[in-house]
Amino acid sequence: NAGVTQTPKFQVLKTGQSMTLQCAQDMNHEYMSWYRQDPGMGLRLIHYSVGAGITDQGEVPNGYNVSRSTTEDFPLRLLSAAPSQTSVYFCASSYSIGGKRANYGYTFGSGTRLTVV
Amino acid sequence: AQSVTQLGSHVSVSEGALVLLRCNYSSSVPPYLFWYVQYPNQGLQLLLKYTTGATLVKGINGFEAEFKKSETSFHLTKPSAHMSDAAEYFCAGRNFGNEKLTFGTGTRLTIIP
Repeated sequence: NAGVTQTPKFQVLKTGQSMTLQCAQDMNHEYMSWYRQDPGMGLRLIHYSVGAGITDQGEVPNGYNVSRSTTEDFPLRLLSAAPSQTSVYFCASSYSIGGKRANYGYTFGSGTRLTVV
Repeated sequence: AQSVTQLGSHVSVSEGALVLLRCNYSSSVPPYLFWYVQYPNQGLQLLLKYTTGATLVKGINGFEAEFKKSETSFHLTKPSAHMSDAAEYFCAGRNFGNEKLTFGTGTRLTIIP
């Protein structure tokens, strides 16, 4: 199993450009989420999804869109990049609370380091 | 709502010394608690977790943590530090019935040779 795969690993954008960060998992996890990691702030939740067709906002959703058309994929879209979105982005997945192994914790991807200039 | 506080953004210990990383939680219901480790330029890896049952939890790489409800704490310890333990450590928690995981701000552990 590949686990959680994030692409690209590195990206430089100009202010105002758009892009999509890809996240895919092959563990049949119902729950998927996006976090951003900034120095001294830990990981902050951007958006999450409890299953295909269902998404919701986290702590810092502004400037980001998500969709969940399949169980496997959960892309994160930046519509108009800003320097404040310079960060490391992590995708994570887990079984849902209602699943048999809901307490197994999250599986994380290796991250996407995004710089907006 | 769940919140997690890590005391000390940087901790330095000598090789072979005790490692103690502090984590406190606030919650109105018993939480699920986790410790993750992040090595440079990598993702987060689960060290250990507390869900129910035994309050002393053993994890990978010789780490363990004890859930103390009376102190609302879940401190991470390792009896003897190794150079390979240098990394950033995150405490995280979530409430039963809620998928969302809340992270502390992290503690960077430095090992002094």
